[in-house]
Amino acid sequence: DVKVTQSSRYLVKRTGEKVFLECVQDMDHENMFWYRQDPGLGLRLIYFSYDVKMKEKGDIPEGYSVSREKKERFSLILESASTNQTSMYLCASRKGARRTEAFFGQGTRLTVV
Amino acid sequence: AQSVTQPDIHITVSEGASLELRCNYSYGATPYLFWYVQSPGQGLQLLLKYFSGDTLVQGIKGFEAEFKRSQSSFNLRKPSVHWSDAAEYFCAVGPASGGSYIPTFGRGTSLIVHP
Repeated sequence: DVKVTQSSRYLVKRTGEKVFLECVQDMDHENMFWYRQDPGLGLRLIYFSYDVKMKEKGDIPEGYSVSREKKERFSLILESASTNQTSMYLCASRKGARRTEAFFGQGTRLTVV
Repeated sequence: AQSVTQPDIHITVSEGASLELRCNYSYGATPYLFWYVQSPGQGLQLLLKYFSGDTLVQGIKGFEAEFKRSQSSFNLRKPSVHWSDAAEYFCAVGPASGGSYIPTFGRGTSLIVHP
């Protein structure tokens, strides 16, 4: 089974802190994604990586950056956390080929106080 | 650009009743289509997918969905709902060409099941 693992289920951080959310997949997938989920807004794409060291901005990249130094790991970085970044963060991965679906991690619920 | 609309924010059904969740997509060519389920506090789990071929696809947990090109729809159905089906359901679309792509998700439908 494909496994996408997010390093934390719950995080509480203070305003202004630098926050790292880690995601690891074990199936050699080329594509990895970070989504943010808020009630009534569904899943919104923050960043997308289609291969190692490659990244593209999604719909809401402001206040975030990402790092993909190894194929299996995709990190989301909040440079200076703010209260409006309190949310559920979902990581996903998929094989970079036709007819493949995305697999999701269990999510990280981040609270910024 | 591709997009997905789930017209119903909430759906309430009684246990044992049938269920249909609506999904409409916008895409210029044949899409890939997916339904995911999210239990409270969890990530998304794939229920079923359509890539090509038979327009009625079967998924896990007794769900099925039908691709109707003429209506740009991919509605999810289940003949008899169980209390454990209470969750958030997401429809997603991806382009049926190329390798790397970004799946686009609808805003989700929250299913409430009454005993």
